[in-house]
Amino acid sequence: AQKVTQAQTEISVVEKEDVTLDCVYETRDTTYYLFWYKQPPSGELVFLIRRNSFDEQNEISGRYSWNFQKSTSSFNFTITASQVVDSAVYFCALSEAGGYQKVTFGTGTKLQVIP
Amino acid sequence: KAGVTQTPRYLIKTRGQQVTLSCSPISGHRSVSWYQQTPGQGLQFLFEYFSETQRNKGNFPGRFSGRQFSNSRSEMNVSTLELGDSALYLCASSFGRGSTDTQYFGPGTRLTVL
Repeated sequence: AQKVTQAQTEISVVEKEDVTLDCVYETRDTTYYLFWYKQPPSGELVFLIRRNSFDEQNEISGRYSWNFQKSTSSFNFTITASQVVDSAVYFCALSEAGGYQKVTFGTGTKLQVIP
Repeated sequence: KAGVTQTPRYLIKTRGQQVTLSCSPISGHRSVSWYQQTPGQGLQFLFEYFSETQRNKGNFPGRFSGRQFSNSRSEMNVSTLELGDSALYLCASSFGRGSTDTQYFGPGTRLTVL
């Protein structure tokens, strides 16, 4: 079975602080995909990143960076110099190329950036 | 390119009624997946349609059904509504299968069952 755990339910940071959102996954498949989505108060999920299991390179996009470590089954997301607009619920998700062929989402981490 | 659109955005129904939700995917996308989001259960996969065929289904009762048309637009139907069906229903489209390709989500339909 595939599973995604986001242990941090809510995080509050002061603007300009760095924050890391944790994501731990479980899968038996060797080919799988990991995603991060942002859900602002408006409700629409916004795609942030997709990573396949064969690409362990870390990625940086502006103030966002992702650290993928297969050895610890983690795909953590860091926001540098947080801003109020970063306030949202962030979801980590996993899908298997074989197996269930469904996308499983974590329970989400609510990030509040305080001005 | 226009994003994923969902109609209606808000819906209020009473127990026992049925409801149909609509989703128009991004142009060129062939897969449409549906998700239910509730505070208690989080985001749960309902089903995926690809090229007009249901390719996968989540653990929901048969009251939840869907279909996809030749233009990739999809509809989701819930019959005999229950209070617990109150949720945000999200539709996502992707070019390839939803399990391997990036899914883009619509704004959702918020269903309230009274």
